[in-house]
Amino acid sequence: NAGVTQTPKFRVLKTGQSMTLLCAQDMNHEYMYWYRQDPGMGLRLIHYSVGEGTTAKGEVPDGYNVSRLKKQNFLLGLESAAPSQTSVYFCASSLLAGAYNEQFFGPGTRLTVL
Amino acid sequence: GENVEQHPSTLSVQEGDSAVIKCTYSDSASNYFPWYKQELGKGPQLIIDIRSNVGEKKDQRIAVTLNKTAKHFSLHITETQPEDSAVYFCAASRMDSSYKLIFGSGTRLLVRP
Repeated sequence: NAGVTQTPKFRVLKTGQSMTLLCAQDMNHEYMYWYRQDPGMGLRLIHYSVGEGTTAKGEVPDGYNVSRLKKQNFLLGLESAAPSQTSVYFCASSLLAGAYNEQFFGPGTRLTVL
Repeated sequence: GENVEQHPSTLSVQEGDSAVIKCTYSDSASNYFPWYKQELGKGPQLIIDIRSNVGEKKDQRIAVTLNKTAKHFSLHITETQPEDSAVYFCAASRMDSSYKLIFGSGTRLLVRP
């Protein structure tokens, strides 16, 4: 049981390039989330999904797109990377979206945009 | 919008001493307050949580208190150990937007041996 895994662990992009971050979970969780973590700002929700085929915007969705084609996978895309998107990205999943449900986090992807 | 403020941003204590981290939330409808611990190079992990119908919860050396009137909640770690060194995040959430955890900015705790 690997929990939540993220690919890649590190990436350096040039401004304007595109990339996709992959999140996978093997816990059969319904809900999945993408956060970004910046110094002094905690974690901020980018997009989330309440089930296969569904996605919704979080606090800071601009410049990102997501897809949830399979229940176990949640993809985060950057179509045209900007230096402001330099951050550490975390994926999380939870069994249900209930407020009392624990979110399980992946190890993160460190992205640098030059 | 909803906001969670967390203090202090850094905290250094001697091994064996207690550590207290405080958070304030703005949304009076918030009713769930988890605390996450993030070790270097890893994702955050839930260590304890509290619901709005409870004033205090304890789990071994860790306790959380909630003051709904003042919209404050705190994490207390007693008998600190070097392995407690990490970044701690508080968060708040409410049932009707249950997907949305609003995180504080984090506290870097250093326990000196």
